[in-house]
Amino acid sequence: VTQTPKFQVLKTGQSMTLQCAQDMNHEYMSWYRQDPGLGLRLIYFSYDVKMKEKGDIPEGYSVSREKKERFSLILESASTNQTSMYLCASSLGTSGSLGGANVLTFGAGSRLTVL
Amino acid sequence: GQSLEQPSEVTAVEGAIVQINCTYQTSGFYGLSWYQQHDGGAPTFLSYNGLDGLEETGRFSSFLSRSDSYGYLLLQELQMKDSASYFCAVSLNGAGNNRKLIWGLGTSLAVNP
Repeated sequence: VTQTPKFQVLKTGQSMTLQCAQDMNHEYMSWYRQDPGLGLRLIYFSYDVKMKEKGDIPEGYSVSREKKERFSLILESASTNQTSMYLCASSLGTSGSLGGANVLTFGAGSRLTVL
Repeated sequence: GQSLEQPSEVTAVEGAIVQINCTYQTSGFYGLSWYQQHDGGAPTFLSYNGLDGLEETGRFSSFLSRSDSYGYLLLQELQMKDSASYFCAVSLNGAGNNRKLIWGLGTSLAVNP
């Protein structure tokens, strides 16, 4: 799972798209943010092209999944409380005894700072 | 609401055994997963329990008791490289890929010489 950019500094009000790409033919893709003391919080997820579902903290974010291998996270108007580490994760789906949706492969993360 | 509880910190010495517990209160349950995350790195999958009992993968084992809403990760023969954060995550019931994950806040494991 490849995330770009790795680091980004934005000013309040600017827009930004975080990109996530996977080459494992995974059906399920998701975006999390990770903050100290708050763990991993799900922003959005998608289990098919053009399908998306809200996670626990979707406010201030939108997503796009035009192709199976790509899932983008969009910040339309960045705010300082969106300063965070963003992690993209994907999985096969529900096939297999492990229940594929559980076996997430994470990207290395995109660290976003909003000033 | 949905919640998972795990200790925030655990300290152990090389060669020892450590158990990280996870208790959960969720509406619906499909399975319990464990992930490891080193500082500055991405979480990586360690283990999954969909049924009660013990799953063993090398030095790591994971246990689940659905009746007690409880699971644990057991790390044996600890090595310095095991110093990391460990997260438990519950998969909630859902149709197909629509299965959500709820995460614990993580346990920071420090392995000392």
